[in-house]
Amino acid sequence: DAKTTQPTSMDCAEGRAANLPCNHSTISGNEYVYWYRQIHSQGPQYIIHGLKNNETNEMASLIITEDRKSSTLILPHATLRDTAVYYCIGTSGTYKYIFGTGTRLKVLA
Amino acid sequence: GAVVSQHPSWVICKSGTSVKIECRSLDFQATTMFWYRQFPKQSLMLMATSNEGSKATYEQGVEKDKFLINHASLTLSTLTVTSAHPEDSSFYICSATVLAANEQFFGPGTRLTVL
Repeated sequence: DAKTTQPTSMDCAEGRAANLPCNHSTISGNEYVYWYRQIHSQGPQYIIHGLKNNETNEMASLIITEDRKSSTLILPHATLRDTAVYYCIGTSGTYKYIFGTGTRLKVLA
Repeated sequence: GAVVSQHPSWVICKSGTSVKIECRSLDFQATTMFWYRQFPKQSLMLMATSNEGSKATYEQGVEKDKFLINHASLTLSTLTVTSAHPEDSSFYICSATVLAANEQFFGPGTRLTVL
């Protein structure tokens, strides 16, 4: 599994876009980039994943650089309920996840 | 769909006793289940990977005799913390997946406090 590096914490104003970066320079060709978030004292919640193309769903967008060494999760209109720890994981599909330290996002009113 | 439950959601026990935590996939048959442990203000740490009908694969540093994992059916895995001690107090989270899925589905977690 790829080692990932994320900023420890970020703040974002409510209603603005939250852009969360992740570095995964050791990711291999068959490893996906997954994003999960964890709200305090709950299990992680799936957000989005991608291999090399940009992806969008109802929750977020995932932008992966062409060399696949980094990616950015975008929450287009952050709300207070988006306050959580966001984890970026590099893994080959449903194989085991190795969680890094994640980014603690605080959405400010 | 793809709901995973855990029972109990929290448990308090005395030092030296054993505690069993159940992880169930409610609406799908899970080929693989994973167990994680999370200490306060830390990330999730993978403890073991469990496939139905076979022995669990433990991560380096996790004592297999202390953390017994049983995956007897495609919808149930159990984690038993044997002879629990205060340092075993933690948040235990399971996840489940199936070959056709592209993600792991996580349970809500079980908070264990050992007195």
